[in-house]
Amino acid sequence: EVQLVESGGGVVRPGESLRLSCAASGFTFDDYGMTWVRQLPGKGLEWVSGINWNGGSTGYADSVKGRFTISRDNGKNSLFLQLNSLRAEDTALYHCARVTCSGGNCYTPVGESFDIWGQGTMVTVSS
Amino acid sequence: QSALTQPASVSGSPGQSITISCTGTSSDVGGYNYVSWYQLHPGKAPKLMIYKVSNRPSGVSNRFSGSKSGNTASLTISGLQAEDEADYYCSSYTSAITGVFGTGTKVTVL
Repeated sequence: EVQLVESGGGVVRPGESLRLSCAASGFTFDDYGMTWVRQLPGKGLEWVSGINWNGGSTGYADSVKGRFTISRDNGKNSLFLQLNSLRAEDTALYHCARVTCSGGNCYTPVGESFDIWGQGTMVTVSS
Repeated sequence: QSALTQPASVSGSPGQSITISCTGTSSDVGGYNYVSWYQLHPGKAPKLMIYKVSNRPSGVSNRFSGSKSGNTASLTISGLQAEDEADYYCSSYTSAITGVFGTGTKVTVL
């Protein structure tokens, strides 16, 4: 079964850090780009960051650029998101998702669509 | 990276057809055929319903269809069913090589 399972969320104070993980199973992890999408409380979805299949290309939303870092370990079928300098507005349910792509856009961190999603891990930033 | 614009809510009776619009710019929706649509039920992971403007993943009902004209993409649900009641989000690739989602639409089956 194709599956993504996130972990690492929690309650932190403004300015603190967290590291989110996403464990992949049921597919060849290094064949796919991966992405993080967050679901803001009572609001919508926001694309946060993406990474291509080999980690050679990454991208970030302006709202997190310089504070968050995406990475992957293909040997461990794992995706990570390092969250630094957290703010109250980063409070959200963070999902990892598999990126579909074809041809040249497989070299980008975004691809074409997000076909498999995890249930998410909750990050709460509060003083 | 402004969010794509969707109507906040759309409703219809069982059996009817509804259409959700998703308006962006030439830097996202209008510039690429990488528009996708996602269904969100409370407490569940988002589900891909349409990719590359009009393609349905395996297992998605053919009652769901997508299209695009200029800077606006659309998702049509025909033969509306109670199980279609959910939130729907569009998404697009952007010229900044990032992703962007729509503001979301709540579909209510009357």
